[in-house]
Amino acid sequence: DIQMTQSPSSLSASVGDRVTITCRASQSISSYLNWYQQKPGKAPKLLIYAASSLQSGVPSRFSGSGSGTDFTLTISSLQPEDFATYYCQQSYSTRMYTFGQGTKLEIK
Amino acid sequence: EVQLVESGGGLVQPGGSLRLSCAASGFTFSSYSMNWVRQAPGKGLEWVSYISSSSSTIYYADSVKGRFTISRDNAKNSLYLQMNSLRDEDTAVYYCAREEGGGSYFDYWGQGTLVTVSS
Repeated sequence: DIQMTQSPSSLSASVGDRVTITCRASQSISSYLNWYQQKPGKAPKLLIYAASSLQSGVPSRFSGSGSGTDFTLTISSLQPEDFATYYCQQSYSTRMYTFGQGTKLEIK
Repeated sequence: EVQLVESGGGLVQPGGSLRLSCAASGFTFSSYSMNWVRQAPGKGLEWVSYISSSSSTIYYADSVKGRFTISRDNAKNSLYLQMNSLRDEDTAVYYCAREEGGGSYFDYWGQGTLVTVSS
């Protein structure tokens, strides 16, 4: 099975900060990497698919990069509504999709 | 507007059974693969099961294989998850999610239904 490891597990930042979250796969997954945002009590929301493609309607301050085993999600200038938990997910292995453990982004 | 609405959750004793449903609307259900994803209280997301648009291909996470059965009825625009031999560790919010086939990402999610396994 492909394991996904996110870092950090939690992060404190201020409005206006630039934030980067990292996701590492246990083997190469090409660009089959997706990012989701989840707020408390709500369903996850797709932000980025195929490592770097911005989902329709998602603000351009969100961006993704990487391929192979190492990926990043960057928020260029944090807004109050961005404080949430972020998950990466590999879709390379359709027999067993896996998510990272999540990164909780909190207000400093 | 794409909508996915789960139902069927509730309290069940260990060893019991439950059937979840997901009603889809706002898109051509029969053209999309679907998935179930769960989230235990205070924990992360865990993929549970996948079914292709025609039901010809089905996958399960190892943690539910042999106990859960995914199915769909394209005429009724509905997705199902039959859960048998439930365990305490199956307690979670269960989400249905539409899969965009090109890149296998989950572009729409339901609001979730809570399953609690407890005696």
